Amino acid sequence: GQQLNQSPQSMFIQEGEDVSMNCTSSSIFNTWLWYKQDPGEGPVLLIALYKAGELTSNGRLTAQFGITRKDSFLNISASIPSDVGIYFCAGQFLPGTYKYIFGTGTRLKVLA
Amino acid sequence: DVKVTQSSRYLVKRTGEKVFLECVQDMDHENMFWYRQDPGLGLRLIYFSYDVKMKEKGDIPEGYSVSREKKERFSLILESASTNQTSMYLCASRYQGWTDTQYFGPGTRLTVL
Repeated sequence: GQQLNQSPQSMFIQEGEDVSMNCTSSSIFNTWLWYKQDPGEGPVLLIALYKAGELTSNGRLTAQFGITRKDSFLNISASIPSDVGIYFCAGQFLPGTYKYIFGTGTRLKVLA
Repeated sequence: DVKVTQSSRYLVKRTGEKVFLECVQDMDHENMFWYRQDPGLGLRLIYFSYDVKMKEKGDIPEGYSVSREKKERFSLILESASTNQTSMYLCASRYQGWTDTQYFGPGTRLTVL
C-alpha cells in the first residue's frame, strides 16, 4: 500500500537533546496522527491534528499540521531514555473515510 | 481512555490450521480495522468494518476473512494458515465523528510453522 515519506529513518541522540521528525506527502490530508510503537507492542496515539496550521502539545511532545496540508512535524524536547521506540505518522485524506496512509517510521535511540 | 484488546499476544500455529484472532474495544466505536505489520512494508490494511455485520476489503484481504457480529468485537480468520502469514497483526477501532482518531490494540505476533 501507499506510504508517507518520513524522515529521518533513524536517529541516535543524547539524553536531554531535542528531536525533530517529519512526514511529507504529495497529497493533501485532513487529519494527521502521530504514534509511538515500542518493540512487540501496538502503536500508541500521541497527538492528533485536524486543522492546517494547528500546533498541539502533549507533555514534551509538540506536533504541527503543515500549512500546505501535505506535511506534519513532531518535536520531542529534552529527550529521555524511555523515548526510545519507533514513531510514525498517519494521514487521512477525507474525514469519515477509512483509508489511512502510514509513514515509514522513525526509529529513535537515546543515549544516556 | 479507549481500550482495544486482542485475545493473544503471541500465537504459534501450523500450516493449514484455521486461526482466529479476536479484537474487542470498549468505547462503542463503529469502525474497526485489521492490519498486518511487516518490516519494511509498514502497516497494511487487511479488512475494515464500518458497523456490525458490515465489512470492506482493505489492501491485502487474500487469505483472510472477518466477522463482526457485535459492535465491540471484530474477528480476523485465517482459513488455512500459511507461512507467509507470519506477521504482527494489529487491530484498531475508531469513533466516526469529526475527530477521526484511530486507536490500536497491543498486537498479536503470529508465527506459522
